[in-house]
Amino acid sequence: DVKVTQSSRYLVKRTGEKVFLECVQDMDHENMFWYRQDPGLGLRLIYFSYDVKMKEKGDIPEGYSVSREKKERFSLILESASTNQTSMYLCASSSRTSTDTQYFGPGTRLTVL
Amino acid sequence: EDQVTQSPEALRLQEGESSSLNCSYTVSGLRGLFWYRQDPGKGPEFLFTLYSAGEEKEKERLKATLTKKESFLHITAPKPEDSATYLCAVRGGDYKLSFGAGTTVTVRA
Repeated sequence: DVKVTQSSRYLVKRTGEKVFLECVQDMDHENMFWYRQDPGLGLRLIYFSYDVKMKEKGDIPEGYSVSREKKERFSLILESASTNQTSMYLCASSSRTSTDTQYFGPGTRLTVL
Repeated sequence: EDQVTQSPEALRLQEGESSSLNCSYTVSGLRGLFWYRQDPGKGPEFLFTLYSAGEEKEKERLKATLTKKESFLHITAPKPEDSATYLCAVRGGDYKLSFGAGTTVTVRA
């Protein structure tokens, strides 16, 4: 079974803090993704990576950056957290095959005060 | 831009009362339509992938079908444990998925 893990289930930070969210997958997947999920808006793609050290902007990259130094690990960074970044953050991974199914982690509920 | 619309937003069913969820989509060059189940406070769990019109997939009480414009998720004789939010997503010409807002299903015993 594919396993995607995220470093924290719940996180509370203050406005202006630098926040790191970590994601690790154990299936040797090439592709990794970061989404945020808000009520009524569904999942929105922040950034994705299709290889080590590669990154692509998604639909809402403003205020975020990412890092992928190793194939299994993809980090999301909030340089200066703001209250409008309070959300559920979901990491996913997929292989570069015809099935292309994305598998998700359990999510991190981030609250910025 | 790829678009996915799910209806209804919420569905309340009595145990055993079959129903269907709709996912309408517009995408340039469909490379896959995905159904996920999401329980409160958890990440989405993969259910099905459909690739071409006419394709059907089944898993327990769930059956997904695909046409050129929409997909249906049929729930046959649901049980309370089928209560969840069901998400639909499409993949076009790149690696990205576009998600609908989901349908929240509540099954009462």
